[in-house]
Amino acid sequence: EDKVVQSPLSLVVHEGDTVTLNCSYEVTNFRSLLWYKQEKKAPTFLFMLTSSGIEKKSGRLSSILDKKELFSILNITATQTGDSAIYLCAVEAGAGSYQLTFGKGTKLSVIP
Amino acid sequence: EAGVTQSPTHLIKTRGQQATLRCSPISGHTSVYWYQQALGLGLQFLLWYDEGEERNRGNFPPRFSGRQFPNYSSELNVNALELEDSALYLCASSLVLNQPQHFGDGTRLSIL
Repeated sequence: EDKVVQSPLSLVVHEGDTVTLNCSYEVTNFRSLLWYKQEKKAPTFLFMLTSSGIEKKSGRLSSILDKKELFSILNITATQTGDSAIYLCAVEAGAGSYQLTFGKGTKLSVIP
Repeated sequence: EAGVTQSPTHLIKTRGQQATLRCSPISGHTSVYWYQQALGLGLQFLLWYDEGEERNRGNFPPRFSGRQFPNYSSELNVNALELEDSALYLCASSLVLNQPQHFGDGTRLSIL
């Protein structure tokens, strides 16, 4: 059975701090790993990673994948209160199937 | 460009009733995915439709079913509702396979 584990489950930081969120996976026929941000309702897409070692960046957020060690990290620098959300990691895997297997998420709270 | 839209926003039912949830994908997207987000369980894959056909389903009983219409919109039906079906039901769509899924705001289903 495919498995995605995120850590920590929750995190409280002060504005301006840098945070690192972790995601490890055990799946068959890995294709891609995705990060989403969920504030109130719809998870919003952040990154899709398919190749090891290539960092993806968007503003203060960046992410990298290690396919040998089966994990990914999401970094957020100079955190702001608007970064408070649940960050979800998901993996697309399996022969002929394209659904996502999600971790339980990391709840990030950024306090002023 | 309009995002994924879901209706209704909230739905309140009693045990044993039937519920119908609707989803319109982003224009041009042909694949639609349904996920259940129950408290404490994270997002779990329910069903995947592509080009009008059910392509895969998750570990849910046959009470959960759906369909995809010629315009690629989709419907999720849940029969014989049980208390444990209370959850946020999220719909996602993607342009082609191996592309990120984009989510709607979900339908909050409450079973009394």
